[in-house]
Amino acid sequence: QKEVEQDPGPLSVPEGAIVSLNCTYSNSAFQYFMWYRQYSRKGPELLMYTYSSGNKEDGRFTAQVDKSSKYISLFIRDSQPSDSATYLCAMVKNNNDMRFGAGTRLTVKP
Amino acid sequence: DGGITQSPKYLFRKEGQNVTLSCEQNLNHDAMYWYRQDPGQGLRLIYYSQIVNDFQKGDIAEGYSVSREKKESFPLTVTSAQKNPTAFYLCASSIQGFNYGYTFGSGTRLTVV
Repeated sequence: QKEVEQDPGPLSVPEGAIVSLNCTYSNSAFQYFMWYRQYSRKGPELLMYTYSSGNKEDGRFTAQVDKSSKYISLFIRDSQPSDSATYLCAMVKNNNDMRFGAGTRLTVKP
Repeated sequence: DGGITQSPKYLFRKEGQNVTLSCEQNLNHDAMYWYRQDPGQGLRLIYYSQIVNDFQKGDIAEGYSVSREKKESFPLTVTSAQKNPTAFYLCASSIQGFNYGYTFGSGTRLTVV
């Protein structure tokens, strides 16, 4: 069993839809949680960072962490075609020991 | 602008040949990393270095080698011992002990011909 599970999709939604992306993990030692966005043939860029359970909002993006269920989510409101990318969850157990999900490929259709 | 530069963007390797991927950063970050990305498998850690002249194996180090002679540079050599080297290679850096995420380069696509 992988430490971090993420449905690779692909996920296709119409413009303006609310997108929900999710990851589960098996090791309760993970303390820090991140979401990266990766455009085709580019490196990932950090989108959201969270530490504690609960929600963190940044514009149209909301990151949610539920440590009791070992489940994290990224919500995108009013999705735009420019949001089309692969979204990777990542989490850190201790200093710089980061583990990534497989990535979910999202397409937002105009 | 500060960032990480990977070169070349595309690289072709013949069977039995060693190739070196370049990674340079001007962020003054202590730690640097090499990841391999394959479709459906996410990022897998090859090697990482937390200080100059020191580096550690990651999960899939076999067939790869690295050096860290300067803080700014962390080149990766894909040797002939790596049997399936075709992949997208990503270099990243972070402040030592910083859990807020990495800065990634734009990647090198390596193809065996």
